[in-house]
Amino acid sequence: NAGVTQTPKFQVLKTGQSMTLQCAQDMNHEYMSWYRQDPGMGLRLIHYSVGAGITDQGEVPNGYNVSRSTTEDFPLRLLSAAPSQTSVYFCASSYLGQGANSPLHFGNGTRLTVT
Amino acid sequence: QQQVKQSPQSLIVQKGGISIINCAYENTAFDYFPWYQQFPGKGPALLIAIRPDVSEKKEGRFTISFNKSAKQFSLHIMDSQPGDSATYFCAARGTGGGNKLTFGTGTQLKVEL
Repeated sequence: NAGVTQTPKFQVLKTGQSMTLQCAQDMNHEYMSWYRQDPGMGLRLIHYSVGAGITDQGEVPNGYNVSRSTTEDFPLRLLSAAPSQTSVYFCASSYLGQGANSPLHFGNGTRLTVT
Repeated sequence: QQQVKQSPQSLIVQKGGISIINCAYENTAFDYFPWYQQFPGKGPALLIAIRPDVSEKKEGRFTISFNKSAKQFSLHIMDSQPGDSATYFCAARGTGGGNKLTFGTGTQLKVEL
């Protein structure tokens, strides 16, 4: 049981390049989400999904795309990287259910630098 | 806009002392208030959580105090230990579905010997 696995751990991009951050979970969680963490700003929600085929925008979705073709995987795509997207990205997952206080399980993050 | 305000930004406490971190929220539609602990190079992990119909929750050395009328909640770490040195985030979950958490800006705690 690996939990939430994120790859790569580190990445450096040039402005305008594209890339995909991978996230996989083996806990059969319905809910998956992406956050970015910036100094002094906490964690901000980028996109989330409540199940395969269903995605929605969070607080800071511009410049990012997601898809959810399987329960296990939730990749985050940067279409044209900008320096403002330099950040640490976290994927998190949890169960869903009425009244459930299911904790979010986080991966160990991807540190992205855009030059 | 920041819907969950957290203070202080950093905190230094002596070993054995009490660490107190405060959060305030603006949205009355939040229904669940967790605290997460994060060590360097790792993702945040749930520490303790409370629902708004409870005024206090204690788990070991960690206690959440919740004041619904003031829209404030706080984390108290009793008998703080060097191993508690980490960044702490308060959070609040909206009632609109999913498990969307709005996080505070974080508090970097250092417990000195």
